Formats: sequence, C-alpha cells, structure tokens
Amino acid sequence: SQQGEEDPQALSIQEGENATMNCSYKTSINNLQWYRQNSGRGLVHLILIRSNEREKHSGRLRVTLDTSKKSSSLLITASRAADTASYFCATDKAGTALIFGKGTTLSVSS
Amino acid sequence: DVKVTQSSRYLVKRTGEKVFLECVQDMDHENMFWYRQDPGLGLRLIYFSYDVKMKEKGDIPEGYSVSREKKERFSLILESASTNQTSMYLCASRDPGHEKLFFGSGTQLSVL
Repeated sequence: SQQGEEDPQALSIQEGENATMNCSYKTSINNLQWYRQNSGRGLVHLILIRSNEREKHSGRLRVTLDTSKKSSSLLITASRAADTASYFCATDKAGTALIFGKGTTLSVSS
Repeated sequence: DVKVTQSSRYLVKRTGEKVFLECVQDMDHENMFWYRQDPGLGLRLIYFSYDVKMKEKGDIPEGYSVSREKKERFSLILESASTNQTSMYLCASRDPGHEKLFFGSGTQLSVL
C-alpha cells in the first residue's frame, strides 16, 4: 500500500496561531489531496496539488509538495476554533483509488 | 452540490448477521468507493467500482462483498458480520475526469 503518513498525530494550538501538518508517502503519484473531517462525519476535500506543482494556496491554506522527498505539508494560517478537526492527506495514482493516511487531529482552543 | 447519501447513520447488528450498507450518489459519477475508518488506522480501502457491474478489491476486502447494479448505488455487504467489523464505514464517489472524492456522512456500525 502507498498509504501516506501524517505527522504529528495530534496538534493543539491557540486561536490565531498557525498549524502545520506533514504527510509522507511511498510511491510516485499524480497528485496529493488534503481532506478535513469534523468529528464523526464524512470527509470534505480541501485542496489538491499536482505532482508538477510545488506550492498551492487556497484562502488560509497553503500546501507544498516535494516529490523528491515524497512529502507534503499543509499550513493553516491564523487558526480558528472552527478549524478543529482531523486532517488527512491522500495520494492519487492513475488507475487506482485514493489512498489515505492516518490523519492529524487538530485542536484549536480560544 | 454533489450528494452522497448513506442509508444509515448508526447501525447495530449481531454476530453472524448479513449486513447491507447502502450508498447512493446523485451526480452520475462512474467511480464509487467503500472505506472503513478505525481509530489510529485512518481510512482503509475495502472495495471500489469504476462502473456499473465492475468491482475491484481494495486493501482489506476479506469478509466483504459489493454490488453495483445501477450507476448511482454501491452496496457493501458483510456476509456474516463479526465483532472485528465494528467500524465507521465511509462511501465516496467521483468522476474519472475529476480527482477529488465526495464522501457520505458515514455509517457507524456496531456488531455485538
């Protein structure tokens, strides 16, 4: 399996701080995606970065991808209590299903 | 917006029962997927389907089967439920030309 691994497993910060989560994977990919899951619910797509891209922004989200190191990071700037959730990276390779990591649980306190 | 609907939010079944988990999507997506989610293990792929009547095994297909008779519906079947199949089950769909997945709200299955 090419399952990604997120790091850290859990992260606790104060509102207004930045949160950084990392993802490592094992094989070549077409793209890497980040998803968010509120407690006990389904996952929601946040952002996608393709293998030929190095950085991508969407609102308060910034994603980087280093294919030479097979790693990605998700930065959430100026965190809010509503950002409290679990975050998953998922790798996409042509002809197969998305493979998800184990997730990072983010807790933002006010 | 795409809607992926899982028939039950919570389900309690007994060991040995045959269990059907239903998933319906309303956007004519060709690809559909079943994942299970367990604490500390993340999401693991059980089965997926590229089109009607097609199915592919994922990483953990043992103890499960699937059915895709219509494009909008993808069913996960536990032939004889066991306690180690207690888990959150997540259905998802996507179009081949679009990479992102749309997820249902999940079914929390407890097998007693």
